[in-house]
Amino acid sequence: GQQVMQIPQYQHVQEGEDFTTYCNSSTTLSNIQWYKQRPGGHPVFLIQLVKSGEVKKQKRLTFQFGEAKKNSSLHITATQTTDVGTYFCADQTGANNLFFGTGTRLTVIP
Amino acid sequence: DTGVSQNPRHKITKRGQNVTFRCDPISEHNRLYWYRQTLGQGPEFLTYFQNEAQLEKSRLLSDRFSAERPKGSFSTLEIQRTEQGDSAMYLCASSLSGTLRNEQYFGPGTRLTVT
Repeated sequence: GQQVMQIPQYQHVQEGEDFTTYCNSSTTLSNIQWYKQRPGGHPVFLIQLVKSGEVKKQKRLTFQFGEAKKNSSLHITATQTTDVGTYFCADQTGANNLFFGTGTRLTVIP
Repeated sequence: DTGVSQNPRHKITKRGQNVTFRCDPISEHNRLYWYRQTLGQGPEFLTYFQNEAQLEKSRLLSDRFSAERPKGSFSTLEIQRTEQGDSAMYLCASSLSGTLRNEQYFGPGTRLTVT
C-alpha cells in the first residue's frame, strides 16, 4: 500500500536557523498538500503543489515538488518560535481524501 | 465562528459502550471528511461525504464505525462497542468542491478515551 514517509521525525533548531522536512512516497503522488499542526491544535492548510518540479514560496517558507512527483520538501528560512509544530505532507488521492505522511515535529529554541 | 465545529471536545467512555460524535462543517462546504489521529501520528482517513452521499470508506474502518450526513450538512460518527484501541483524536474536515486550492479545513477534534 501507499506509504508517505517524512524525515526527520523530530528537529530541534535554534531560533534563526533554517529547517527542512522531506516527504517521500513509494508511489507517484497525485497532489501534495502541506499542513501545520500546532501542539494541541488541529491541522491547518499551508499550500498545495500540483505540477512536477513546482516551487512555491510563502514568506519564509519554500515548498518544492519533485520532478518525478515522488517527493516534496518544505524549507523554513530563519525559524521563529511561532514556527513550532508538526508539519505534515499529505497526498490528495483521486477521491479527494488526504493520505498523510508521518510528520516532522519542529522545536525552536529561543 | 464560521469554522468547523465538533462536539463533544472530549469523551471518556467505558469499553463496550457506544459513542457518537458530531461535526458541523463550514456552511457552504459540500465535502466532509472524518479522520482519526493517534499520538505522534498523522491523521488517518476514515470516510468522506459529498453532500449526503458517503462516497468512500477506508478499508481499515471496522464495521463498528458508522457515519451519516443525512441532510448534507452536519455529520455524525458512531462507534459501537468501543475498544481501548479506539482511543484517539477524531478529526472532521470540510472542503468545497470545484475550487483550485482544494484545501481541507479541520475542526478542533473530539478526543476519545476508552477505559
